[in-house]
Amino acid sequence: KAGVTQTPRYLIKTRGQQVTLSCSPISGHRSVSWYQQTPGQGLQFLFEYFSETQRNKGNFPGRFSGRQFSNSRSEMNVSTLELGDSALYLCASSPDRSPLYEQYFGPGTRLTVT
Amino acid sequence: QQQVKQSPQSLIVQKGGISIINCAYENTAFDYFPWYQQFPGKGPALLIAIRPDVSEKKEGRFTISFNKSAKQFSLHIMDSQPGDSATYFCAANYNQGGKLIFGQGTELSVKP
Repeated sequence: KAGVTQTPRYLIKTRGQQVTLSCSPISGHRSVSWYQQTPGQGLQFLFEYFSETQRNKGNFPGRFSGRQFSNSRSEMNVSTLELGDSALYLCASSPDRSPLYEQYFGPGTRLTVT
Repeated sequence: QQQVKQSPQSLIVQKGGISIINCAYENTAFDYFPWYQQFPGKGPALLIAIRPDVSEKKEGRFTISFNKSAKQFSLHIMDSQPGDSATYFCAANYNQGGKLIFGQGTELSVKP
Protein backbone atom coordinates (compact mmCIF):
# COMPACT_ATOMS: atom_id res chain seq x y z
CA LYS A 1 0.00 0.00 0.00
CA ALA A 2 1.27 3.46 -0.82
CA GLY A 3 1.86 5.71 2.15
CA VAL A 4 0.57 9.18 2.84
CA THR A 5 1.64 11.58 0.11
CA GLN A 6 1.96 15.34 0.44
CA THR A 7 2.45 17.93 -2.25
CA PRO A 8 4.38 20.03 -2.77
CA ARG A 9 7.35 18.90 -0.70
CA TYR A 10 8.92 22.33 -0.58
CA LEU A 11 7.43 25.77 -0.95
CA ILE A 12 8.74 29.32 -0.65
CA LYS A 13 6.20 32.12 -0.23
CA THR A 14 6.28 35.80 0.58
CA ARG A 15 4.68 37.39 3.62
CA GLY A 16 1.05 38.25 2.94
CA GLN A 17 0.52 35.58 0.31
CA GLN A 18 -1.63 32.52 0.75
CA VAL A 19 -0.75 28.87 0.26
CA THR A 20 -2.56 25.57 -0.26
CA LEU A 21 -1.04 22.25 0.73
CA SER A 22 -2.37 18.87 -0.35
CA CYS A 23 -2.50 15.48 1.32
CA SER A 24 -3.53 12.09 -0.06
CA PRO A 25 -4.16 9.55 2.71
CA ILE A 26 -3.41 5.85 2.64
CA SER A 27 -6.01 4.04 0.56
CA GLY A 28 -9.00 3.18 2.72
CA HIS A 29 -8.17 5.71 5.42
CA ARG A 30 -10.97 8.14 6.12
CA SER A 31 -9.45 10.42 8.73
CA VAL A 32 -6.84 13.06 7.98
CA SER A 33 -5.10 15.21 10.59
CA TRP A 34 -2.74 18.11 10.04
CA TYR A 35 0.16 19.16 12.25
CA GLN A 36 2.67 22.00 12.24
CA GLN A 37 6.24 21.20 13.27
CA THR A 38 8.71 23.91 14.25
CA PRO A 39 11.95 23.75 16.27
CA GLY A 40 10.53 26.01 18.94
CA GLN A 41 6.97 24.69 19.36
CA GLY A 42 7.45 21.10 18.29
CA LEU A 43 4.54 19.18 16.79
CA GLN A 44 1.24 21.00 17.16
CA PHE A 45 -2.17 19.77 16.06
CA LEU A 46 -3.99 21.95 13.52
CA PHE A 47 -7.21 20.07 12.69
CA GLU A 48 -8.72 16.70 11.85
CA TYR A 49 -11.17 15.79 9.12
CA PHE A 50 -13.29 12.67 8.98
CA SER A 51 -15.78 11.99 6.21
CA GLU A 52 -15.46 15.58 4.93
CA THR A 53 -16.27 17.06 8.35
CA GLN A 54 -13.91 18.84 10.70
CA ARG A 55 -13.96 16.78 13.91
CA ASN A 56 -11.21 18.43 15.94
CA LYS A 57 -9.48 21.77 15.83
CA GLY A 58 -6.29 22.99 17.45
CA ASN A 59 -5.43 26.44 18.76
CA PHE A 60 -4.44 28.16 15.55
CA PRO A 61 -5.81 31.42 14.14
CA GLY A 62 -8.53 31.46 11.52
CA ARG A 63 -5.92 32.04 8.81
CA PHE A 64 -5.41 28.29 8.94
CA SER A 65 -8.20 26.32 7.33
CA GLY A 66 -8.73 22.97 5.74
CA ARG A 67 -11.13 20.75 3.94
CA GLN A 68 -11.57 17.14 2.96
CA PHE A 69 -12.97 15.77 -0.27
CA SER A 70 -15.20 12.76 -0.84
CA ASN A 71 -12.17 10.64 -1.78
CA SER A 72 -10.62 11.51 1.64
CA ARG A 73 -7.93 13.71 0.11
CA SER A 74 -7.41 16.84 2.15
CA GLU A 75 -6.09 20.34 1.65
CA MET A 76 -5.03 22.97 4.11
CA ASN A 77 -4.85 26.65 3.37
CA VAL A 78 -2.97 29.41 5.12
CA SER A 79 -3.94 32.94 4.21
CA THR A 80 -2.00 36.15 4.81
CA LEU A 81 1.24 34.33 5.52
CA GLU A 82 3.47 35.49 8.34
CA LEU A 83 7.16 34.78 8.89
CA GLY A 84 6.22 32.60 11.86
CA ASP A 85 4.26 30.27 9.60
CA SER A 86 7.54 28.86 8.28
CA ALA A 87 7.39 25.23 9.34
CA LEU A 88 7.10 21.63 8.28
CA TYR A 89 3.42 20.84 7.75
CA LEU A 90 2.59 17.20 8.30
CA CYS A 91 -0.45 15.27 7.32
CA ALA A 92 -1.43 12.00 9.00
CA SER A 93 -4.11 9.50 8.05
CA SER A 94 -5.94 6.89 10.05
CA PRO A 95 -8.39 4.18 8.99
CA ASP A 96 -11.13 5.20 11.37
CA ARG A 97 -11.80 6.38 14.89
CA SER A 98 -11.03 3.02 16.44
CA PRO A 99 -10.07 2.82 20.13
CA LEU A 100 -6.46 2.25 19.19
CA TYR A 101 -6.10 5.29 17.05
CA GLU A 102 -3.07 4.87 14.83
CA GLN A 103 -1.95 7.76 12.70
CA TYR A 104 0.46 7.41 9.81
CA PHE A 105 2.37 10.49 8.74
CA GLY A 106 3.42 11.73 5.34
CA PRO A 107 6.85 13.26 4.63
CA GLY A 108 5.56 16.80 5.11
CA THR A 109 5.62 20.03 3.17
CA ARG A 110 8.43 22.40 4.12
CA LEU A 111 7.03 25.95 3.91
CA THR A 112 9.39 28.90 4.05
CA VAL A 113 7.92 32.38 4.32
CA THR A 114 10.21 35.26 3.39
CA GLN B 1 -3.56 19.94 31.40
CA GLN B 2 -3.21 19.10 27.73
CA GLN B 3 0.58 18.95 27.90
CA VAL B 4 2.83 15.97 27.58
CA LYS B 5 6.27 16.59 29.08
CA GLN B 6 9.18 14.63 27.64
CA SER B 7 12.73 14.17 28.89
CA PRO B 8 15.59 14.24 28.26
CA GLN B 9 15.83 16.68 25.37
CA SER B 10 18.89 14.85 24.05
CA LEU B 11 20.51 11.52 24.81
CA ILE B 12 23.81 9.93 23.86
CA VAL B 13 24.12 6.17 24.26
CA GLN B 14 26.83 3.71 23.35
CA LYS B 15 26.07 0.97 20.85
CA GLY B 16 24.54 -1.98 22.66
CA GLY B 17 23.32 0.13 25.55
CA ILE B 18 19.79 0.88 26.71
CA SER B 19 18.13 4.16 25.73
CA ILE B 20 15.41 5.40 28.06
CA ILE B 21 13.07 8.30 27.29
CA ASN B 22 10.41 9.45 29.73
CA CYS B 23 7.09 11.22 29.38
CA ALA B 24 4.57 12.57 31.87
CA TYR B 25 1.02 13.76 31.39
CA GLU B 26 -1.70 15.45 33.41
CA ASN B 27 -4.95 14.71 31.61
CA THR B 28 -6.36 11.45 32.97
CA ALA B 29 -8.72 11.28 29.99
CA PHE B 30 -5.83 10.29 27.73
CA ASP B 31 -6.35 6.69 26.65
CA TYR B 32 -3.78 6.08 23.95
CA PHE B 33 -0.03 6.66 24.14
CA PRO B 34 2.06 6.19 20.98
CA TRP B 35 5.75 6.71 20.37
CA TYR B 36 7.01 8.05 17.07
CA GLN B 37 10.48 8.00 15.51
CA GLN B 38 11.53 10.72 13.12
CA PHE B 39 14.60 10.84 10.90
CA PRO B 40 15.77 14.13 9.36
CA GLY B 41 13.72 15.05 6.32
CA LYS B 42 11.06 12.44 7.06
CA GLY B 43 7.69 12.42 8.74
CA PRO B 44 7.26 10.73 12.13
CA ALA B 45 6.84 6.96 11.95
CA LEU B 46 4.73 5.07 14.47
CA LEU B 47 6.96 2.81 16.58
CA ILE B 48 4.82 1.34 19.30
CA ALA B 49 1.73 2.33 21.27
CA ILE B 50 0.02 1.40 24.52
CA ARG B 51 -3.31 1.84 26.29
CA PRO B 52 -3.53 2.59 30.03
CA ASP B 53 -4.98 -0.81 30.92
CA VAL B 54 -1.60 -2.38 30.13
CA SER B 55 1.58 -1.76 32.16
CA GLU B 56 4.08 -2.87 29.55
CA LYS B 57 4.23 -3.60 25.84
CA LYS B 58 7.21 -4.98 23.98
CA GLU B 59 7.88 -5.08 20.25
CA GLY B 60 11.32 -6.31 19.31
CA ARG B 61 13.93 -4.08 20.96
CA PHE B 62 11.33 -1.43 21.88
CA THR B 63 9.37 -1.53 25.14
CA ILE B 64 6.83 0.90 26.57
CA SER B 65 6.44 0.94 30.35
CA PHE B 66 3.29 2.61 31.65
CA ASN B 67 2.59 3.82 35.19
CA LYS B 68 -1.02 4.95 35.37
CA SER B 69 -0.92 6.12 39.00
CA ALA B 70 2.13 8.29 38.36
CA LYS B 71 0.81 9.41 34.97
CA GLN B 72 4.11 8.54 33.37
CA PHE B 73 5.25 6.34 30.53
CA SER B 74 8.62 5.58 29.03
CA LEU B 75 10.28 4.08 25.98
CA HIS B 76 13.16 1.66 26.41
CA ILE B 77 15.33 0.79 23.42
CA MET B 78 17.37 -2.30 24.18
CA ASP B 79 20.67 -3.04 22.40
CA SER B 80 20.67 0.45 20.88
CA GLN B 81 22.19 0.68 17.41
CA PRO B 82 23.59 3.61 15.40
CA GLY B 83 20.60 3.22 13.07
CA ASP B 84 18.34 4.11 16.00
CA SER B 85 19.80 7.63 16.01
CA ALA B 86 16.75 9.81 15.43
CA THR B 87 14.31 12.07 17.25
CA TYR B 88 11.71 10.29 19.34
CA PHE B 89 8.35 11.75 20.29
CA CYS B 90 5.88 10.52 22.83
CA ALA B 91 2.25 11.48 22.35
CA ALA B 92 -1.17 11.09 23.91
CA ASN B 93 -4.71 10.99 22.62
CA TYR B 94 -8.22 10.58 24.03
CA ASN B 95 -11.83 10.03 23.13
CA GLN B 96 -10.91 8.20 19.92
CA GLY B 97 -10.08 11.53 18.35
CA GLY B 98 -7.47 12.43 15.79
CA LYS B 99 -5.76 14.99 17.98
CA LEU B 100 -2.38 13.78 19.14
CA ILE B 101 -0.67 15.83 21.86
CA PHE B 102 3.09 15.48 21.40
CA GLY B 103 5.99 15.77 23.77
CA GLN B 104 8.84 18.07 22.80
CA GLY B 105 11.00 15.27 21.42
CA THR B 106 14.27 13.58 22.36
CA GLU B 107 17.21 13.59 20.01
CA LEU B 108 18.92 10.22 20.41
CA SER B 109 22.46 9.62 19.23
CA VAL B 110 23.89 6.11 19.43
CA LYS B 111 27.67 6.08 19.22
CA PRO B 112 29.45 3.11 17.58
